[in-house]
Amino acid sequence: DVKVTQSSRYLVKRTGEKVFLECVQDMDHENMFWYRQDPGLGLRLIYFSYDVKMKEKGDIPEGYSVSREKKERFSLILESASTNQTSMYLCASSFGPPEAFFGQGTRLTVV
Amino acid sequence: AQTVTQSQPEMSVQEAETVTLSCTYDTSENNYYLFWYKQPPSRQMILVIRQEAYKQQNATENRFSVNFQKAAKSFSLKISDSQLGDTAMYFCAFMRDFGNEKLTFGTGTRLTIIP
Repeated sequence: DVKVTQSSRYLVKRTGEKVFLECVQDMDHENMFWYRQDPGLGLRLIYFSYDVKMKEKGDIPEGYSVSREKKERFSLILESASTNQTSMYLCASSFGPPEAFFGQGTRLTVV
Repeated sequence: AQTVTQSQPEMSVQEAETVTLSCTYDTSENNYYLFWYKQPPSRQMILVIRQEAYKQQNATENRFSVNFQKAAKSFSLKISDSQLGDTAMYFCAFMRDFGNEKLTFGTGTRLTIIP
């Protein structure tokens, strides 16, 4: 079974902190994604990566950056966390159409 | 750009009844995939069913089936003999059949099955 693992299920950080959300997949997938999920807005794409050290902005990249130094790991970085970044964050990976596999989500609260 | 619209934020149905969740999408592509994902309280996204746009036959998976109307850009999910375990958020999603592609999601429908 494909496994996509996010490092934390729940995280509480203070405003202004630098926050790292980690995601690891074990299926040698080229593509990895970070989504943000908010009530009434569904899942919105923040960033995605189709290869090591490659990244592309999604629909809502402002306030975020990413890092992919190894194929299996894709990190989402909040350089200076703000309260409006309190949300659920979902990582996914795929080898291309027609499917993507998701991690269990990280619920981040910024206080 | 692709868009996916789910117009039913919440629905509820009695156990054992049938329920239909609606989804419409907009794209200029001819080759693509459509999906329904389920997200229970555990938060794990679970693929319920997938439809290839080039297939005219509607996909089915046990109690789950879709009504895919390509010309109308409509993709509804029917759940038959609903069970308490079907209580979840349901997301409709779109993916182009092209290279390194991403999923585009609708806003979701919260489905509650009433005992």
